[in-house]
Amino acid sequence: GAVVSQHPSRVICKSGTSVKIECRSLDFQATTMFWYRQFPKQSLMLMATSNEGSKATYEQGVEKDKFLINHASLTLSTLTVTSAHPEDSSFYICSARDPRETEAFFGQGTRLTVV
Amino acid sequence: DQQVKQNSPSLSVQEGRISILNCDYTNSMFDYFLWYKKYPAEGPTFLISISSIKDKNEDGRFTVFLNKSAKHLSLHIVPSQPGDSAVYFCAARDTGNQFYFGTGTSLTVIP
Repeated sequence: GAVVSQHPSRVICKSGTSVKIECRSLDFQATTMFWYRQFPKQSLMLMATSNEGSKATYEQGVEKDKFLINHASLTLSTLTVTSAHPEDSSFYICSARDPRETEAFFGQGTRLTVV
Repeated sequence: DQQVKQNSPSLSVQEGRISILNCDYTNSMFDYFLWYKKYPAEGPTFLISISSIKDKNEDGRFTVFLNKSAKHLSLHIVPSQPGDSAVYFCAARDTGNQFYFGTGTSLTVIP
C-alpha cells in the first residue's frame, strides 16, 4: 500500500522557537494532505487541509498564523509550529490519500514537546 | 458537530471471543467508511473499509457491517487476540474526499 512518511517522530523545543514537521508521500502524488492533532485520550482533530500550490484550508479555531502549512510539491507538505508554547505540546499526524486507493494513509506522527 | 460518533470509549474482551466496535454517523452522503487501528505514539493504520453500496465486507478476522438505514456500522474481530489491543477509529469519507473521524474506542483483549 501507499506510504506516508512523517519526520521527525519526536522533537523537543524551547518556548518561543519554531518547529517544522515534514510529511511526504513516498510512492504517490498527493494534491491534498491533512494535518491532525491528537491530545491524550482524545480523537484526531483535523487542523487543516493542505492543498498543493495553494493556501491551506484551516478548521475553525485553528490559528493559521501559528500553524503554517506549506504544500510546495505533490509529495511534500510541511507544518511549522511558530512561537511554540507548552500548550502546543501534542501528537501531530499527517495523512494523504493516494488517488488510486480508497483509504487515506497516515504518517507515523510527531510527538512535540515544548519546554 | 461530530458527524461520526463512537459512543464506547473503551471495550474489554477475552482472548478468543468476538470484539464488536460500533460507530454511528449523521451524514447520509458519506460514500466510504473505514476503520483504522492506532497504537500509542504511532499514526493510525488502515484496517478495513466498506463502500456505502455494500452492507458487509470481510477480511480475515475482521468484518465490517454497514446499516445505512440506521446510519450505523460496526467492526467485528473474531477471534480477538491480545495484539488487537489498540484504539480503533471509525472514519467516513464524503464526496469531497474529506475524512471524518470518530472519537475512538480503546480495545483491550485480555489473555
